[in-house]
Amino acid sequence: EPEVTQTPSHQVTQMGQEVILRCVPISNHLYFYWYRQILGQKVEFLVSFYNNEISEKSEIFDDQFSVERPDGSNFTLKIRSTKLEDSAMYFCASNGQGRYEQYFGPGTRLTVT
Amino acid sequence: AQSVTQLDSHVSVSEGTPVLLRCNYSSSYSPSLFWYVQHPNKGLQLLLKYTSAATLVKGINGFEAEFKKSETSFHLTKPSAHMSDAAEYFCVVSGPSNTGNQFYFGTGTSLTVIP
Repeated sequence: EPEVTQTPSHQVTQMGQEVILRCVPISNHLYFYWYRQILGQKVEFLVSFYNNEISEKSEIFDDQFSVERPDGSNFTLKIRSTKLEDSAMYFCASNGQGRYEQYFGPGTRLTVT
Repeated sequence: AQSVTQLDSHVSVSEGTPVLLRCNYSSSYSPSLFWYVQHPNKGLQLLLKYTSAATLVKGINGFEAEFKKSETSFHLTKPSAHMSDAAEYFCVVSGPSNTGNQFYFGTGTSLTVIP
């Protein structure tokens, strides 16, 4: 069964450094998403992406964040200058045309020190 | 605006007894609703979905949920709990269409199954 994959599973970085979180969505899916879950809090929407552009973003997704689909398979989330409060589990998700349900990857745990 | 409220942060049941995880939703539109499960160190797995078809929805692993518009509820049930059901469960509401909608998550319910 196809699945969403994410790398790395855990990333440790120093405050102020740039990080790139990588995702490979399910191959025939067209809509892509990033969510985050700060420890002990609910899963929060960051951004959705369709047809090579952002379709929706939350207040969390400020100028420090960017997304890209550099080729036909990868979908990346970049944080330009990480802050301590960016420490969280980041989930990538995707869904196909005409499908309501989103399929989630296993997550990347980002720790900013 | 869309939101969900999971009424219990933690539920504990004995193996073989019924499971009830409660969820109430708020939506400006006719909602799409989902239950996802997260096992430790694993991703979010879809259990079941409601998208305006039958109000009683059956999912994987014996779980089901009933959409009740009059009560704005979408409670998750299972007749008999298994040890492998121990996990975190999230109720989710989506926006009005199937195109790039963000999901709105509840705060989660941690299910413990006692042997």
